[in-house]
Amino acid sequence: QKEVEQDPGPLSVPEGAIVSLNCTYSNSAFQYFMWYRQYSRKGPELLMYTYSSGNKEDGRFTAQVDKSSKYISLFIRDSQPSDSATYLCAMTRSGGSNYKLTFGKGTLLTVNP
Amino acid sequence: SQTIHQWPATLVQPVGSPLSLECTVEGTSNPNLYWYRQAAGRGLQLLFYSVGIGQISSEVPQNLSASRPQDRQFILSSKKLLLSDSGFYLCAWSGTGNYGYTFGSGTRLTVV
Repeated sequence: QKEVEQDPGPLSVPEGAIVSLNCTYSNSAFQYFMWYRQYSRKGPELLMYTYSSGNKEDGRFTAQVDKSSKYISLFIRDSQPSDSATYLCAMTRSGGSNYKLTFGKGTLLTVNP
Repeated sequence: SQTIHQWPATLVQPVGSPLSLECTVEGTSNPNLYWYRQAAGRGLQLLFYSVGIGQISSEVPQNLSASRPQDRQFILSSKKLLLSDSGFYLCAWSGTGNYGYTFGSGTRLTVV
């Protein structure tokens, strides 16, 4: 079983739709959860950062972490064509060797005008 | 503010030629530095990471090597490139605490 599973998509939605992106993981030691957005031919950029369980909202973006289910989600409200990108989840343990993030393979999202 | 520079953006090299990719970070001290490779459908593969000058950890056996000659400089090298070395190479840095990585803009390497 891979440590982090992420549906690669592709996911295509109309402009204005609510988008749900998800990752599951197997390592219960993960405490820090992130979402990165990567435009084509660019480096990933940190979009959302969450510690432990709960929700975090930033504008049109909401990150959710359910540690009991080992499941994290990113919701995008009122999606825009500029949201078209690959979204990668990432996570790491607390303390210890905290240098290495474990990434999902990414979900390719296209928002159609 | 902290910035990360990575160059070149694009590189086409013949099989058997050497490689040197450079990454520098500004605005921070003693960063953790990383080299990743991203291939289509395979996600991000951690190649090397460094927690200090001269300290390099290799994640996968391969045709590549890394060096950190200065605190904020990280270099990825190869003596002889293989076709399988083609890919998108990303440098990243992180500081203390679990606040994620900041990535450079990447180098797209094509070995022909």
